[in-house]
Amino acid sequence: QSALTQPASVSGSPGQSITISCTGTSSDVGAYNYVSWYQQHPGKVPKLMIFDVSKRPSGVSNRFSGSKSGNTASLTISGLQAEDEADYYCFSYTTSSTWVFGGGTKLTVL
Amino acid sequence: QLQLQESGPGLVKPSETLSLTCTVAGDSITSSSYNWGWIRQPPGKGLEWIGNFYYSGSTYYNPSLKSRVTISVDTSNNQFSLKLNSVTAADTAVYYCARRGVGTSSVDYWGQGTLVTVSS
Repeated sequence: QSALTQPASVSGSPGQSITISCTGTSSDVGAYNYVSWYQQHPGKVPKLMIFDVSKRPSGVSNRFSGSKSGNTASLTISGLQAEDEADYYCFSYTTSSTWVFGGGTKLTVL
Repeated sequence: QLQLQESGPGLVKPSETLSLTCTVAGDSITSSSYNWGWIRQPPGKGLEWIGNFYYSGSTYYNPSLKSRVTISVDTSNNQFSLKLNSVTAADTAVYYCARRGVGTSSVDYWGQGTLVTVSS
């Protein structure tokens, strides 16, 4: 299975909104609503930000939202803050009963 | 409070077998509500799903690693283990054990991770 495709980097200024895409196929992202997103600061453990495409765990800011259209899932961060600067990974279930991560996106807050 | 803790050698020689154990405190690995598994991250690179097991006893592995990996369970000690054989330098990574909710994509608890270096 191939890793899901994410942009290597995105950037935005404080207060702005950014969107990170995660493109797969009809055998993974497009097949089920089982896509989650993780935030990882340098040297830290990944943190769950969004699960099942658009659900937000308790304690995660409502500035983070998720969506999906066809084979592409998206993570949107609104009201960008300096603390949002991190790497972000998408994660999807596949029709082979396995799971696959995206390659990761480095978010820079300008 | 749920805690997952990886343990095992930090250095493995090429062609040998990498063995790690995840000890779980605060939940039972036989719970029907969760699955448990392994994820790794080579230095400076992205996350890679290795595999997981279900309370039913089924295991699923990353196809690219399937021929070399085994996940086993020790219910008496509430632990599960990873074995990866015939390792090379490409298997050098931080290895995480983690919990995922059944019927969801939510990997909500992770261990702190342990760095395993493959080198002679």
